[in-house]
Amino acid sequence: NAGVTQTPKFRILKIGQSMTLQCTQDMNHNYMYWYRQDPGMGLKLIYYSVGAGITDKGEVPNGYNVSRSTTEDFPLRLELAAPSQTSVYFCASQTGARGDEQYFGPGTRLTVT
Amino acid sequence: GDSVTQMEGPVTLSEEAFLTINCTYTATGYPSLFWYVQYPGEGLQLLLKATKADDKGSNKGFEATYRKETTSFHLEKGSVQVSDSAVYFCALSDRGTYKYIFGTGTRLKVLA
Repeated sequence: NAGVTQTPKFRILKIGQSMTLQCTQDMNHNYMYWYRQDPGMGLKLIYYSVGAGITDKGEVPNGYNVSRSTTEDFPLRLELAAPSQTSVYFCASQTGARGDEQYFGPGTRLTVT
Repeated sequence: GDSVTQMEGPVTLSEEAFLTINCTYTATGYPSLFWYVQYPGEGLQLLLKATKADDKGSNKGFEATYRKETTSFHLEKGSVQVSDSAVYFCALSDRGTYKYIFGTGTRLKVLA
């Protein structure tokens, strides 16, 4: 049981490039989330999904897109990368039962120069 | 909207000292409350949780009690170790939505 896995661990992008951050969970969780963590700050929600085919915006969705074609996978797409997107990105999953905790992946550290 | 406020760090303690990290929240409903810990270079992992008023969550010597009257969920440990050095996040889950609100984190450094 690997839990939540994310790839890549590190990535450097040039301004204007695009990339996809991968997230996979093997716990059959319905709910999945993408957060960014800026230095010295808490987590900000980018997008979340309550099941395959259903996604919704969080508080900072601009510049990102997501899809959820399967229960296991929840990729985050960055189009036209900007320096403001330099951050650590965390994927998380949760059963869908209220009160249950989230399970986090190890994170992807992204630098845009 | 819902929010979580926790004390700013860094907090620096000597080994075996008593730890308190304050956390207060605002929420319109009856949230579940969590403490997560983040070790360097890793993701967040659940430390403890409480789902209703007066519940006490505990794990690895850490404790926190859900206080509805003071809207607080302070984290305590009687005797910290060097291995407890990490960033601690207080969070709430509003039962009306599936979103989680995180505090800004408190960095703890324990010196031998």
